Amino acid sequence: GQQVMQIPQYQHVQEGEDFTTYCNSSTTLSNIQWYKQRPGGHPVFLIQLVKSGEVKKQKRLTFQFGEAKKNSSLHITATQTTDVGTYFCAAGAGSYQLTFGKGTKLSVIP
Amino acid sequence: GAGVSQSPSNKVTEKGKDVELRCDPISGHTALYWYRQSLGQGLEFLIYFQGNSAPDKSGLPSDRFSAERTGGSVSTLTIQRTQQEDSAVYLCASSLGGGFAFFGQGTRLTVV
Repeated sequence: GQQVMQIPQYQHVQEGEDFTTYCNSSTTLSNIQWYKQRPGGHPVFLIQLVKSGEVKKQKRLTFQFGEAKKNSSLHITATQTTDVGTYFCAAGAGSYQLTFGKGTKLSVIP
Repeated sequence: GAGVSQSPSNKVTEKGKDVELRCDPISGHTALYWYRQSLGQGLEFLIYFQGNSAPDKSGLPSDRFSAERTGGSVSTLTIQRTQQEDSAVYLCASSLGGGFAFFGQGTRLTVV
């Protein structure tokens, strides 16, 4: 079945540094979604990308969908302690079923 | 309700007992997922329901795990003869077709 690799598994950054997590698939995707899970919470939807090469921004967060629609990235500029949590990508590949990556756990050192 | 509701929120059970975890998805959502998340870890896919189609059970870790979804709405995840390694947070999510997923607050299962 569909597999989605997400790297890195963990990332520790100093507050103010940038952070990037990557999501890779071996097959072409119809869409990619990103979620954030705060410590002790549940994953919450952030954004969906559907077009090849699409770039979307939410304040300090930049989301990209690769030209081949096989990979995606989430970049956070100048991290803050409020960015702490686990970021998940979720891939759609034609059927309705979403396949979630294992997530990247972000720690921000004040 | 307005969101995905899971019950109970916490469950402590003795090793060897059976447990049932319930998920009430958002009304009208055709897709329903169960995930397991161990402390500090990522999401482990368990099972996926979509409408009246046969569920994708490929993530169930053993035959002690089963799930059903009645009437295309409420779902129950059953774990028989619980083991300590079953301790985790069990998350349910629902979505409308291929749209984004709404997660419940989860059930924290502790097997003692």
